[in-house]
Amino acid sequence: NAGVTQTPKFQVLKTGQSMTLQCAQDMNHEYMSWYRQDPGMGLRLIHYSVGAGITDQGEVPNGYNVSRSTTEDFPLRLLSAAPSQTSVYFCASRILAGGNQETQYFGPGTRLLVL
Amino acid sequence: GESVGLHLPTLSVQEGDNSIINCAYSNSASDYFIWYKQESGKGPQFIIDIRSNMDKRQGQRVTVLLNKTVKHLSLQIAATQPGDSAVYFCAENIGSNYKLTFGKGTLLTVNP
Repeated sequence: NAGVTQTPKFQVLKTGQSMTLQCAQDMNHEYMSWYRQDPGMGLRLIHYSVGAGITDQGEVPNGYNVSRSTTEDFPLRLLSAAPSQTSVYFCASRILAGGNQETQYFGPGTRLLVL
Repeated sequence: GESVGLHLPTLSVQEGDNSIINCAYSNSASDYFIWYKQESGKGPQFIIDIRSNMDKRQGQRVTVLLNKTVKHLSLQIAATQPGDSAVYFCAENIGSNYKLTFGKGTLLTVNP
């Protein structure tokens, strides 16, 4: 298994540009989520999904859209990038049943710089 | 809103010593707590968890203590090794486990 993969690893955008951060997992996990991590802060939940076709907002959803058309993929879209969205983005996935965080896996992260 | 916080942002220890990383939480409804380790340039990695019906749980070289009276969580690492150098986060959850709230993290540095 490849686990949780994220692309790209690094991206530079200009203010107002759009892009999609890709996340994929091959473990058949129902639950997937996106976090952002800023210097000196813990991870903050942006959006999450408990299955294909189901998404919901986390703590900091503004400026981001998600969709879950398949179990494997959970892309994060920035429609109009802003400097405040400069951050490191982590995708995570786990099984849904049992509520055991031990089975949550994080991807390697995408570093995004918005100029 | 309520949040999870840490007492010490940095901790430096000698190799072989025991490390204690602390975390304060303010939401009394939180019923599940997790410690994560994050090495430089990597995503967080699960270390150990504990539910609110317990006050202590042990893993391999790690112990988590939960004091619900004072809303305090700690991670103890025995015989700390250079490979333990990382940022450690506590996280809390209520109920469904769909949303985790992370603390700001503590940087642990192990000196040889």
